[in-house]
Amino acid sequence: DGGITQSPKYLFRKEGQNVTLSCEQNLNHDAMYWYRQDPGQGLRLIYYSQIVNDFQKGDIAEGYSVSREKKESFPLTVTSAQKNPTAFYLCASSIMSTQYFGPGTRLTVL
Amino acid sequence: QKEVEQDPGPLSVPEGAIVSLNCTYSNSAFQYFMWYRQYSRKGPELLMYTYSSGNKEDGRFTAQVDKSSKYISLFIRDSQPSDSATYLCAMSYQAGTALIFGKGTTLSVSS
Repeated sequence: DGGITQSPKYLFRKEGQNVTLSCEQNLNHDAMYWYRQDPGQGLRLIYYSQIVNDFQKGDIAEGYSVSREKKESFPLTVTSAQKNPTAFYLCASSIMSTQYFGPGTRLTVL
Repeated sequence: QKEVEQDPGPLSVPEGAIVSLNCTYSNSAFQYFMWYRQYSRKGPELLMYTYSSGNKEDGRFTAQVDKSSKYISLFIRDSQPSDSATYLCAMSYQAGTALIFGKGTTLSVSS
């Protein structure tokens, strides 16, 4: 069963805590992306990686960190420096110019 | 001026109507154009993909790209209640680069 999985589906965080969102793909895609979606804001790019052990900041990288140690995995850490982390987080992978999305993780800060 | 503009709606139509969704963009370097459908609390799913100008049809869906006007459209024929979702346009300069998304148009089809 090929695709992109994200876990957990829902995540609650206390202020001051770091949390890590998981993204795994078995599509053998080289490139992976993290987006944040807020109501009325569309999708905003946080980080992307076009190859293992390399990644670039997107438009809103402050307060986030990523790693890309394996082709299949691209975890996102939301740090305590992110002032407004409550949002819907989407992971994607791509072949050529076509991106495919995971089901998303909804993060809520309590 | 934003790179990609999309009317957020909401757009409400009766079942069976023809729906037209549109995006405009400012950068003529865009070459790859996509439409995604997103149901509430789900990840976006790819509907249509077009390279450069022209039309592409897939069942009830037709995507059009007019690069001279910097305008793309998605037409839905014989709309169904199951088409009720948010539709996102997206585009990129070259293969393998990050997509630039519109903010999405929310469509509601009533039976």
